Amino acid sequence: SQTIHQWPATLVQPVGSPLSLECTVEGTSNPNLYWYRQAAGRGLQLLFYSVGIGQISSEVPQNLSASRPQDRQFILSSKKLLLSDSGFYLCAWSREGTQRGYTFGSGTRLTVV
Amino acid sequence: EDQVTQSPEALRLQEGESSSLNCSYTVSGLRGLFWYRQDPGKGPEFLFTLYSAGEEKEKERLKATLTKKESFLHITAPKPEDSATYLCAPRVNAGGTSYGKLTFGQGTILTVHP
Repeated sequence: SQTIHQWPATLVQPVGSPLSLECTVEGTSNPNLYWYRQAAGRGLQLLFYSVGIGQISSEVPQNLSASRPQDRQFILSSKKLLLSDSGFYLCAWSREGTQRGYTFGSGTRLTVV
Repeated sequence: EDQVTQSPEALRLQEGESSSLNCSYTVSGLRGLFWYRQDPGKGPEFLFTLYSAGEEKEKERLKATLTKKESFLHITAPKPEDSATYLCAPRVNAGGTSYGKLTFGQGTILTVHP
């Protein structure tokens, strides 16, 4: 069966510090991968998606970047965090043709102080 | 621009009091509509996929329906454990490719009191 791992679960970082969140998927190959952010009381905002190694599409301009160095690994990064980067970050995967839409990880709660 | 609106934003029910949640959408190239449940501090959990107007899906006390412009999530005789945020997400084509992406509504926070 497929599983998705996301870490860390919580993170408190000072303004101006770098960020690296990692997501890995097991039990499938060639998944589509996604990073979403959920601000308090808000819906899920798609940040990046990837349909293959090295292929990254950005949905909104921001202080963040994403990379996919391996087929089942997706990384969200920032060189210098802003207060506005605080939120709940969710990684997800999908396969074309699946009827389940996306399968989400457990999320990372990021607080920038 | 694709738009998804869920109503109400919050709903408080007594245990056993049935109700419905609404998801209205304006999207191009709809390729299905998904419902998710999200508990606090966790990732969304898949509930249903609907593909065509008139389609219905059921799971325990939940039933999802779809029309051309909206979807409803009906909750029959809810229990406190049904308390969660319910998210709907139409799936549309991304950038003219065959790849589909989900655009989420802001969710309805459901609280069921015993």
